[in-house]
Amino acid sequence: SQTIHQWPATLVQPVGSPLSLECTVEGTSNPNLYWYRQAAGRGLQLLFYSVGIGQISSEVPQNLSASRPQDRQFILSSKKLLLSDSGFYLCAWSVWGSNQPQHFGDGTRLSIL
Amino acid sequence: GQQLNQSPQSMFIQEGEDVSMNCTSSSIFNTWLWYKQDPGEGPVLLIALYKAGELTSNGRLTAQFGITRKDSFLNISASIPSDVGIYFCAGQRSGGSNYKLTFGKGTLLTVNP
Repeated sequence: SQTIHQWPATLVQPVGSPLSLECTVEGTSNPNLYWYRQAAGRGLQLLFYSVGIGQISSEVPQNLSASRPQDRQFILSSKKLLLSDSGFYLCAWSVWGSNQPQHFGDGTRLSIL
Repeated sequence: GQQLNQSPQSMFIQEGEDVSMNCTSSSIFNTWLWYKQDPGEGPVLLIALYKAGELTSNGRLTAQFGITRKDSFLNISASIPSDVGIYFCAGQRSGGSNYKLTFGKGTLLTVNP
């Protein structure tokens, strides 16, 4: 069966520090991968999606970037965090080329001080 | 961009009561999904609907894909305390290789024992 892992689960970072959140998927090949941000427990905002290694599409302009160095690895990064980057970050995957649903990881709670 | 109107925004009910929530859109979707999110965790898929008019059950949960493809509802029968959480609808439009989702803003369900 397929599983998705995100880490860390919780992160507290000072303003201006770099960020790296990692997401990996097991049990499938060539998945679509997604990064979402959720503010105040509601409203999922799609940040990035990827349909293959090295292929990243950005949905909203922001202080964050994403990379996909391997087939089942998706990384969310920032060079300098802003206070507004605080939130709950969710990674998701779906089967490439199908209408099968997205499945989510357990998320990373990011607090910027 | 597309938006989903999900209602109600919140519900406070007594254990044993039935619950109904719905989503409407101005655009057509090919797939409707319902997710539940517990505090501090990622959304978990409850029901996926792929055909207009489709009625699907998952235990005490029943969801329907509207005939017009612009709406869907979720019913929960005989609610129990563990039904507490945020319920999200999501619409998916086929095409291309990314299959992005459009989410409603969620229904916060509280069940009083």
